[in-house]
Amino acid sequence: EIVLTQSPATLSLSPGERATLSCRASQSVGSQLAWYQVRPGQPPRLFIYDAYKRATGIPGRFSGSGSGTDFTLTIASLEAEDFAVYYCQHRSNWSPGYTFGQGTKLEIK
Amino acid sequence: QMQLVESGGGVVLPGRSLRLSCAASGFTFSSYAMHWVRQAPGKGLEWLATVSYDGATTYYADSVKGRFTISRDISNNTLYLQMNSLRPQDTAMYYCARDMEKWLQLGEWFDTWGQGTPVTVSS
Repeated sequence: EIVLTQSPATLSLSPGERATLSCRASQSVGSQLAWYQVRPGQPPRLFIYDAYKRATGIPGRFSGSGSGTDFTLTIASLEAEDFAVYYCQHRSNWSPGYTFGQGTKLEIK
Repeated sequence: QMQLVESGGGVVLPGRSLRLSCAASGFTFSSYAMHWVRQAPGKGLEWLATVSYDGATTYYADSVKGRFTISRDISNNTLYLQMNSLRPQDTAMYYCARDMEKWLQLGEWFDTWGQGTPVTVSS
């Protein structure tokens, strides 16, 4: 079973700053990785899929990169609504199903 | 407008059963794989189960395999999660989600989510 490890657990930044969130897979997952945002009291929202593709309606300040075992979600310039918890997710055909990372909480400094 | 509305959550005794429903509207329900995901209080997201677009194939997380059953009724555009032998650690918000691609067995990514229905397992 593939394990996704996100770092840091908490990231404290100010609006306008650049955020870099990491997701590391225990073995190669190719580009089979997505990122979701979860805000308090809200359902998750798909932000990035296939490692780098932005989902519908996601602002250009969000970008995903990486392949294999190391992935990054970058927010170029933080806005107030970006402070939330972000989860990476892997989709596996080999052991059919999905795995989420434990999440990174992006909080206002 | 695509919409998913979960229902059926509540407080239940350990060992009992509960059936969650997810009413879909605004899209062709029979064309998409569907998923259940939960989030326990203060915890992260956990994928539970997926049913293929045609209902022919189901997939489960090990944590619920043999206890939970996912199904769909295309005639009334509804997704179900039958939960048996419930445990306190099943306490969570339960979300249904639609896959982003049509005509898939396992699916790709989850692009539309309901607001969730809470389940509390407690004596």
